[in-house]
Amino acid sequence: AQSVTQPDIHITVSEGASLELRCNYSYGATPYLFWYVQSPGQGLQLLLKYFSGDTLVQGIKGFEAEFKRSQSSFNLRKPSVHWSDAAEYFCAVGGFTSGTYKYIFGTGTRLKVLA
Amino acid sequence: GAVVSQHPSRVICKSGTSVKIECRSLDFQATTMFWYRQFPKQSLMLMATSNEGSKATYEQGVEKDKFLINHASLTLSTLTVTSAHPEDSSFYICSADSQGVEQFFGPGTRLTVL
Repeated sequence: AQSVTQPDIHITVSEGASLELRCNYSYGATPYLFWYVQSPGQGLQLLLKYFSGDTLVQGIKGFEAEFKRSQSSFNLRKPSVHWSDAAEYFCAVGGFTSGTYKYIFGTGTRLKVLA
Repeated sequence: GAVVSQHPSRVICKSGTSVKIECRSLDFQATTMFWYRQFPKQSLMLMATSNEGSKATYEQGVEKDKFLINHASLTLSTLTVTSAHPEDSSFYICSADSQGVEQFFGPGTRLTVL
């Protein structure tokens, strides 16, 4: 069965600083990987996704993520954080479980940005 | 493209009543729809998966008689919370895919049971 771990529950960074949010997954085959952002009371917005090919993926809002098969990781990065990036970030793995394709979400990382 | 809507966005109901939440794919036909539940400051937990014209498949621990799912067409799925109680208060999010590997999410419905 697939699983996703986001080790950091909370992260605080200063505006303008770089950011890395960690995501580790467990899945027997090549997974489909996603990062979503959620503002309070809102739905999910897709930041980026990885299916195959180039392991460095560019997304919206200046985010990027790198798929590292050897480390079973798909960490999200941003070189310079803006105050508007404060939100909850979820990593998700798409894969087949008992013949059904589904997503498994990580527990989320709450980002706080200091002015 | 790939827009999913939910209605209502917020609903408040009395304990013991039933509430229906609609999930629609606006610009594509959804082979499969998913229903998630999210408690405050927690992650999304998959409740059930539904395919058009078939019975929904519920995740372990989800009461199928409490959470009735109907996927009557390729663009509409409904979740009915029957005999709602305060512990059913939560944020419910649906998603849909079209024979692909990416799900498209609705904006969510906040249910408050008094």
